[in-house]
Amino acid sequence: AQKVTQAQTEISVVEKEDVTLDCVYETRDTTYYLFWYKQPPSGELVFLIRRNSFDEQNEISGRYSWNFQKSTSSFNFTITASQVVDSAVYFCALSDTIKAAGNKLTFGGGTRVLVKP
Amino acid sequence: DGGITQSPKYLFRKEGQNVTLSCEQNLNHDAMYWYRQDPGQGLRLIYYSQIVNDFQKGDIAEGYSVSREKKESFPLTVTSAQKNPTAFYLCASSMGDYTGELFFGEGSRLTVL
Repeated sequence: AQKVTQAQTEISVVEKEDVTLDCVYETRDTTYYLFWYKQPPSGELVFLIRRNSFDEQNEISGRYSWNFQKSTSSFNFTITASQVVDSAVYFCALSDTIKAAGNKLTFGGGTRVLVKP
Repeated sequence: DGGITQSPKYLFRKEGQNVTLSCEQNLNHDAMYWYRQDPGQGLRLIYYSQIVNDFQKGDIAEGYSVSREKKESFPLTVTSAQKNPTAFYLCASSMGDYTGELFFGEGSRLTVL
């Protein structure tokens, strides 16, 4: 069975500090996708990134960066120079859609990030 | 604008009543999903549908029912058989390919009194 663990339930930082969100996953599949979604106070989840299991290159998008390490089954997310608008709940997710039809994602429990001015 | 509309945003229900949550999308997506969100537990899949007139149970389908009579609509009924229905419900859609990118609505918060 697939599992995604986000050990940090809540992180509080002061604006401009960096914050790293941990994500550890379990799967028996050799091919899979990993995702990060952001849930602002409005409620809807917003897609941030998708990474397939064959691509271990780190990725940077503006103030966001992701570190995928297959050897440790981790897909960590860092927000650099945090801003108040980054305050949200962040979810890591795993998909096995390569062999099963339908985008069935397994989500972690989420990490609430609070950025104080 | 294209997107997913869920209604109502807030709903109160007495025990023993069925309620139906609406989900409409104008993204022309083939696949639609219902997730339940509880504090600290992330999102759990209730039902999903890859095509009109077809749907599959997710991980926690007991006490719920769905229909997919139109491509743009995927209503969820929370029946009286659902033992702990108070939660935040999120509807999503996707192209139905393997990209995994889901588009979410703003959710419906159901409270059972």
